[in-house]
Amino acid sequence: GESVGLHLPTLSVQEGDNSIINCAYSNSASDYFIWYKQESGKGPQFIIDIRSNMDKRQGQRVTVLLNKTVKHLSLQIAATQPGDSAVYFCAETYSGAGSYQLTFGKGTKLSVIP
Amino acid sequence: GAVVSQHPSWVICKSGTSVKIECRSLDFQATTMFWYRQFPKQSLMLMATSNEGSKATYEQGVEKDKFLINHASLTLSTLTVTSAHPEDSSFYICSAGGLTSGGASTDTQYFGPGTRLTVL
Repeated sequence: GESVGLHLPTLSVQEGDNSIINCAYSNSASDYFIWYKQESGKGPQFIIDIRSNMDKRQGQRVTVLLNKTVKHLSLQIAATQPGDSAVYFCAETYSGAGSYQLTFGKGTKLSVIP
Repeated sequence: GAVVSQHPSWVICKSGTSVKIECRSLDFQATTMFWYRQFPKQSLMLMATSNEGSKATYEQGVEKDKFLINHASLTLSTLTVTSAHPEDSSFYICSAGGLTSGGASTDTQYFGPGTRLTVL
């Protein structure tokens, strides 16, 4: 049956400020990481990815940082906009397994204050 | 990025009936498709992994006879919730992985928009 709902960690930021969303991953063998954005009632949307041979990757207004030593991943959003309000999930996988299976983090809800 | 569609986007059905949800990858072939369910304010829970032409692999605790998965082609997978009950009400999301287009492949998963199932 349906589990009791959990309260997602929430990050509230002022419009125009930078946002940093953090994620601790579990598997030291994971070598591919993805950030997804999920708006209410919609499926997750790919934002940016990074492989373990890199520690930083930049996209448009977003940057992902990877620290393999402490198994930590972060997503930085520059000049946060109201349209960035959503739940953000990190996901990890070991690409060598060939299964393409992802393990998702619990998610962080980003609320942008206009 | 790659586009994955789902149909229907929402469905309401009576208890005891069966519901089929389609997941299609557009403009590319997907070696593997995944089915998730998501409860409010929670992360995605993987239900099963399906590869084209073979039986789906179900996660522990997911009843394979209740959630029938068919992956008939590299662009279509279906999930049938059989004899649905109110506790099956949830948001079901598919994703496609192992995408190939023009010979190149990627291990990124792309998600469909989800299907909201409500069982009365």
